[in-house]
Amino acid sequence: AQTVTQSQPEMSVQEAETVTLSCTYDTSENNYYLFWYKQPPSRQMILVIRQEAYKQQNATENRFSVNFQKAAKSFSLKISDSQLGDTAMYFCAFRAGTALIFGKGTTLSVSS
Amino acid sequence: DTGVSQNPRHKITKRGQNVTFRCDPISEHNRLYWYRQTLGQGPEFLTYFQNEAQLEKSRLLSDRFSAERPKGSFSTLEIQRTEQGDSAMYLCASSLDYRASTDTQYFGPGTRLTVL
Repeated sequence: AQTVTQSQPEMSVQEAETVTLSCTYDTSENNYYLFWYKQPPSRQMILVIRQEAYKQQNATENRFSVNFQKAAKSFSLKISDSQLGDTAMYFCAFRAGTALIFGKGTTLSVSS
Repeated sequence: DTGVSQNPRHKITKRGQNVTFRCDPISEHNRLYWYRQTLGQGPEFLTYFQNEAQLEKSRLLSDRFSAERPKGSFSTLEIQRTEQGDSAMYLCASSLDYRASTDTQYFGPGTRLTVL
């Protein structure tokens, strides 16, 4: 079975600092996609960044970047220059077929 | 493009009642998904549609649950004889083209169901 594990239930960071959220996954598939979604309090889930497993280059989107280690089945999210608006629940997700498989999430709090 | 919309946003019902939720996907998105999210957990897949065809159902989708997408546009999710364990956020997502390697699912705001 495919699983996604986020080992950090909660994290906190101060504005302008950098924080890294961890994610590991388990699969026997070779072709798959990985995602980080953000769910702000009482707001809908939005895509932060995605990574195709066949690509060796790590994806980046402005202040967000990933460290994708395929052999280790690790997919961490780095947020640089953290902002108050980054406060949210962050979900790591995996997709090999149709459905997204999510981890349990990491609650990130950014303080001033 | 107004994004994925869901109605109602909140629903409170008594155990044993039937409830129906609606999802309107992003225009021209041919895939539509339903997920369930309980407190403190990530979303779990329930079912998906390719146009009007329901192509996959999770084991989480018991016989009391039924989903439709009659004209390949909006979708409804009905829960019959609700139980307290059905209390959750029900999320809808849509995507444009499954043939694209970067097919991305865009989520709606969800319908929060509380069963008393």
